[in-house]
Amino acid sequence: AQKITQTQPGMFVQEKEAVTLDCTYDTSDQSYGLFWYKQPSSGEMIFLIYQGSYDEQNATEGRYSLNFQKARKSANLVISASQLGDSAMYFCAMREGYSGGGADGLTFGKGTHLIIQP
Amino acid sequence: AAGVIQSPRHLIKEKRETATLKCYPIPRHDTVYWYQQGPGQDPQFLISFYEKMQSDKGSIPDRFSAQQFSDYHSELNMSSLELGDSALYFCASLRGGGKNEQFFGPGTRLTVL
Repeated sequence: AQKITQTQPGMFVQEKEAVTLDCTYDTSDQSYGLFWYKQPSSGEMIFLIYQGSYDEQNATEGRYSLNFQKARKSANLVISASQLGDSAMYFCAMREGYSGGGADGLTFGKGTHLIIQP
Repeated sequence: AAGVIQSPRHLIKEKRETATLKCYPIPRHDTVYWYQQGPGQDPQFLISFYEKMQSDKGSIPDRFSAQQFSDYHSELNMSSLELGDSALYFCASLRGGGKNEQFFGPGTRLTVL
C-alpha cells in the first residue's frame, strides 16, 4: 500500500488564487513527521513546511500552511495568493518513527504538478 | 547561508563502469541522506548516516555502497552501472536531534549510456 498518496497529478490555477494540494498518508506509528517540498523545473528540492504528529497547531510558513487532519490522515498544503513562481512539482513526504532524532529516510508521494496561469 | 554541496553536478558513464558521488553537508550537520530520483519519478530513499555510522537503509542496490567520513562528508559508490541507474541523485543533511527539514543539495545528474 502507498504510504503517501497525492491524488492530483496536475493542477492549473489562476494567479492570485489560493491552492490546496492534497496528501493522505498511511502509518501505524504514533510519532511521525510530514513534509512538503517544492521541485521547480531546475530540479532542486526546496523545503516548504513541516508538521509533527504531536503538533497541535497547523504549521504555517509565510504563504504556506498545512491543513493537518490527524484522524483522516491527511496533510494538505495550502498556498495562499498563488504566484507564477509557484509553478513546480510539489511532493508530500513522511518520516516515520520520529522521536526527535535518528536518520530515517523520507517516503515521498508521486507529486502534484502545479501550473499557475496569469 | 552555506548549503549542501554535491559533486559532480553532472556525470556521464558507460554501462558497467563505476561512479562516485560526493556530498558535503551543511557545517555542523552530522546526518546525511542519499536519494535517487528517476525521470518523472518521486525521490527514493537509498541510505542514511548519523555520526559516521549507517543509520537507515532504503532501496539501495547491492551494487551501491556509501560511507560517511570523519569530516561528515559522504560518498556514494556505484559499480556495474546499468541504464536504469540514470537519475538525479540527491544528498540531504540534517543536524542531529533536529526534527525539521532535511536540507537537500542541488543533486548530481547521472547519465548511463
